[in-house]
This record gives sequence, structure tokens and C-alpha cells, in this order.
Amino acid sequence: GENVEQHPSTLSVQEGDSAVIKCTYSDSASNYFPWYKQELGKRPQLIIDIRSNVGEKKDQRIAVTLNKTAKHFSLHITETQPEDSAVYFCAASMSGATDSWGKLQFGAGTQVVVTP
Amino acid sequence: DTGVSQDPRHKITKRGQNVTFRCDPISEHNRLYWYRQTLGQGPEFLTYFQNEAQLEKSRLLSDRFSAERPKGSFSTLEIQRTEQGDSAMYLCASRRLGGAGNTEAFFGQGTRLTVV
Repeated sequence: GENVEQHPSTLSVQEGDSAVIKCTYSDSASNYFPWYKQELGKRPQLIIDIRSNVGEKKDQRIAVTLNKTAKHFSLHITETQPEDSAVYFCAASMSGATDSWGKLQFGAGTQVVVTP
Repeated sequence: DTGVSQDPRHKITKRGQNVTFRCDPISEHNRLYWYRQTLGQGPEFLTYFQNEAQLEKSRLLSDRFSAERPKGSFSTLEIQRTEQGDSAMYLCASRRLGGAGNTEAFFGQGTRLTVV
């Protein structure tokens, strides 16, 4: 099955700096890669996603890049703000013969702390 | 909040007791997923439904766990003879299959189970 690894496990950045989180996946059949943000005690919420037919996607201060050959994808947050402090999870989803949109396999998460 | 709702939010039970959780997905979502999340980890897939059909169960789901989605709407997750290792946050998520290709999975706020 799919295995997703995420690094680093913790990331401390100064406000205004950039943060980068990297994930690798094992199954080349995976074709959907979302990123979720989870604040303490709250539900995971989708912040950005990318499909395998796209190499990069941006949404304001957030961008995701995908390298299908190397099977890794990254989340980039620019101009970080204290409200960006949270746990971020990457995930991968594969399509099977009988399942158009399969289950999400999550990474272990990255605790991001943005200090003023 | 018209998103995914879960009940109860918290459950404390004695070891050996049975517990049942409920998830109400977003109404037009045909896919429903159950995940388990322990402290410091990403959500782990347990099982998912396409309408009322249970399509896949993780090997994490022992025979003490059972899930149903009898009418293709709400779902229940039952844990029999609870063990301390079952203590975790149980998350439900739903998504719509196909259509315009929106594959975002929306999570509920979870049920936090503590087995004492």
C-alpha cells in the first residue's frame, strides 16, 4: 500500500520568513495530494491540493510543488504569520480499478511554530 | 455549521465496555471515511463507504470494530470490548465522488475516546 513520509516533524520560523515542508510517497499510482492544516483541538482543514497532471499550484501565500519522477511534493508558505502556527499534514490518494478516488494516506505531520 | 458532524465529541468509557460513535456527512457526499488519530500522528485510515457499501477496511480495524452506513447517509462506528489502546480521536470525513472533480474531503470535529 501507499506510504507517505513527512519532514520535518517540527519547524520553527520567524514571522515573515518562509516555511517548507516535504513529503515523499511510495506508490506511483497516487494522483491526488492534499495538504491539511490542523489547529490544536480542531478538525483538519484542506488548505491546498494538487493533482498529478500539474507540477505547481499557488494560492496567495501558499504553494505546493509536485515531482512525480522523484515521488515527492512540498508545501511552501511565504511571509509566515503567527496564525500559520499549526500542524500540517500531507496526504496522498491513489485511484484503483474499482475506486475512482481512493482513501487518503497521511504523513505524520509537521508542527509549525511562527514566532513574532 | 453545515459540515460533517460527529457525536459525541467526547467519550470516556471503562475498559471492556462497548461504545458507538455517529457521523453525519455533508448531505450530497457519497463517500464516507473513518480515521483514527493519536497524539502527534497523522490520521490513520480505518474504513470507507461508497453510499451504503463498505468498500475497504484497514488491517488496523480488528474484529472488535464494526462500521455501518445502513441508508447511505449517516454512519456508525462501534468498538466492542474497548481496550486502553483504543484511546484516540476518531475522525469522520466525507467527499463527493466524481461530478466536477471536486475531491476535497471534509472532516468532522472528531470523537475523542478515552478508555480508563
